[in-house]
Amino acid sequence: GQQLNQSPQSMFIQEGEDVSMNCTSSSIFNTWLWYKQDPGEGPVLLIALYKAGELTSNGRLTAQFGITRKDSFLNISASIPSDVGIYFCAGRKDSGNTPLVFGKGTRLSVIA
Amino acid sequence: EPEVTQTPSHQVTQMGQEVILRCVPISNHLYFYWYRQILGQKVEFLVSFYNNEISEKSEIFDDQFSVERPDGSNFTLKIRSTKLEDSAMYFCASSVGSPLHFGNGTRLTVT
Repeated sequence: GQQLNQSPQSMFIQEGEDVSMNCTSSSIFNTWLWYKQDPGEGPVLLIALYKAGELTSNGRLTAQFGITRKDSFLNISASIPSDVGIYFCAGRKDSGNTPLVFGKGTRLSVIA
Repeated sequence: EPEVTQTPSHQVTQMGQEVILRCVPISNHLYFYWYRQILGQKVEFLVSFYNNEISEKSEIFDDQFSVERPDGSNFTLKIRSTKLEDSAMYFCASSVGSPLHFGNGTRLTVT
């Protein structure tokens, strides 16, 4: 099946630091999405990307849809304790409403 | 903001028993999904549902699983004869366009 390789698996950072994580695939995706999951809750959409090269921000979060359409990154600037959680990339290979494929997640820990 | 709601939040069942997990998708959404997340692992697609029928399903969604939209608001996942390895968080999601909106999940524990 389709695979998304997400890295790093986990990160420990100091409050105030910037964070970067990325997702790559061997095949082309038409949509990239980034979700955050807090313990005991469902994934919450952070940013959706629909076009190669697209750079989109949501507050301190910025995500880009790679030019090759095979990768995406998510940056978090000036991290705060509530940024703690698991961040998942998700992609859709086809247009429409075909199922999302998820990466394995990046577990972020922020040390105050 | 409208949200996807799932009940129960936690279900404990004995191996071999049937369980029904319930979801109320966002009201104007047309596409419905079930995903599963085994503890500490990634979110895995089970099934998608549109226009009152299954549109896609994964290899995980075998004959012991079924989905139903019994009325205009509920979307259910039935596991006919649970196995130990069915223990996981089960997430319902719905969409009207590309981004999926997830519920908070049902934690299923099979003993």
